[in-house]
Amino acid sequence: LAKTTQPISMDSYEGQEVNITCSHNNIATNDYITWYQQFPSQGPRFIIQGYKTKVTNEVASLFIPADRKSSTLSLPRVSLSDTAVYYCLVGDRGFQKLVFGTGTRLLVSP
Amino acid sequence: DVKVTQSSRYLVKRTGEKVFLECVQDMDHENMFWYRQDPGLGLRLIYFSYDVKMKEKGDIPEGYSVSREKKERFSLILESASTNQTSMYLCASSSGTAYNEQFFGPGTRLTVL
Repeated sequence: LAKTTQPISMDSYEGQEVNITCSHNNIATNDYITWYQQFPSQGPRFIIQGYKTKVTNEVASLFIPADRKSSTLSLPRVSLSDTAVYYCLVGDRGFQKLVFGTGTRLLVSP
Repeated sequence: DVKVTQSSRYLVKRTGEKVFLECVQDMDHENMFWYRQDPGLGLRLIYFSYDVKMKEKGDIPEGYSVSREKKERFSLILESASTNQTSMYLCASSSGTAYNEQFFGPGTRLTVL
């Protein structure tokens, strides 16, 4: 079972770049890495997914080193509305093995 | 716009009551999930279903059952509610493989007194 480890919380200011790192030492060969964002009183929302190297979309970038034992979610120029909990998710060949973990609570201040 | 709806945002029940939480998705997804979310524990998978009338246990199925009679609807049942089942319950749906994006509902905050 590919468990993940993330920082419990992070603080940032508007306009800064935020990098949240997730450790997944036991990642399996076929596993993808997925990040979700959750605002208060809402369900999580998919942000980005990758397998290796770098993936970028309109919201974020995901950096995955060659050994795939960690990944970094990068949020460019955060705003107050990026205050949320961010979950790193590593699949393991089946729905039962998808583990959301406790997430990283990001607080963006003015 | 894709949508997952849950029958109630807030629910208060008494110990021993039978509780039904309903989830409906309009995306024709074959996969549906029930999670509970507790402070410090993150999201934990209770049950999931990959087809009508099919169900599989997740990490914490004890005390819960599920029903999926129609593709768009997935129900979570607490046969005899207990105070330790007070939690936020989240429903999600997806298509295809386990890696595909899950779409979540807004959640139901259940309090068992």
